[in-house]
Amino acid sequence: EPEVTQTPSHQVTQMGQEVILRCVPISNHLYFYWYRQILGQKVEFLVSFYNNEISEKSEIFDDQFSVERPDGSNFTLKIRSTKLEDSAMYFCASSETTSKGTDTQYFGPGTRLTVL
Amino acid sequence: AQSVTQLDSHVSVSEGTPVLLRCNYSSSYSPSLFWYVQHPNKGLQLLLKYTSAATLVKGINGFEAEFKKSETSFHLTKPSAHMSDAAEYFCVVSDQETGFQKLVFGTGTRLLVSP
Repeated sequence: EPEVTQTPSHQVTQMGQEVILRCVPISNHLYFYWYRQILGQKVEFLVSFYNNEISEKSEIFDDQFSVERPDGSNFTLKIRSTKLEDSAMYFCASSETTSKGTDTQYFGPGTRLTVL
Repeated sequence: AQSVTQLDSHVSVSEGTPVLLRCNYSSSYSPSLFWYVQHPNKGLQLLLKYTSAATLVKGINGFEAEFKKSETSFHLTKPSAHMSDAAEYFCVVSDQETGFQKLVFGTGTRLLVSP
C-alpha cells in the first residue's frame, strides 16, 4: 500500500540554524500538508500546498517557514532560523483532492526536530 | 471556525471489554470527520472517516463511529478491546470553510488496556 515517507526521523540542530525536513507524498496525490505536534500538545495545521503554491496557511506559518516541491516527488519544509519553540514532531500528509469524500489526508511517520 | 472536543484525556479498559471514546465537534458546514490513531513513536494512522454517506462508519481493527448531527457527536466504539489497541486516539474535523484542507485535531484520548 502506498505511504507517505519522511526523512530524517530525528533531526537535532542548534538554535539559529536552518533545517530542511523532507517528505515524499503518495504519488498520485495532488495536495500536500505540514502539521506539527509540540510535545504534550495538539496536532496543529501549518500549511497546505497545491499546484506549486501555498493554498492555506495558519498563523504559525510565518516568514521563518517555507515549503517547496523541488522535483516531482519531494515536498520540503524549511525553517530558516530555528528557535527553541520549534522543537516538535513535524508530520507531512497528502491527499488526492480536497473534495469531500476524497479529502482523506494520509500522514507520514513524522520527523522529530530538537532545537538546542 | 471548526473545533473538536474530546471529553476524556485518558480511558482505561480491561482486555475484552467495550471501548467508548467520546468526541463532539463544532462546524458551521457539513463536516468531514475522522478518527486517527497514534501508537507510541509512530505516525498518525487513519482509523475511519465520515463524509456524509452512512452515519455509522466502520473502520479498521473492529472500530466504528456514529455521526449524530443532533448531538454534534462522533463517538468511537469497539465491542472488545485488545492489548494492541493501547494508543492515542484523535478525533478530527474538516469542512468547506478551509476547502477541506485544514484538519482540526482534538486534544487526544489515551486508551489504556489492561490484561
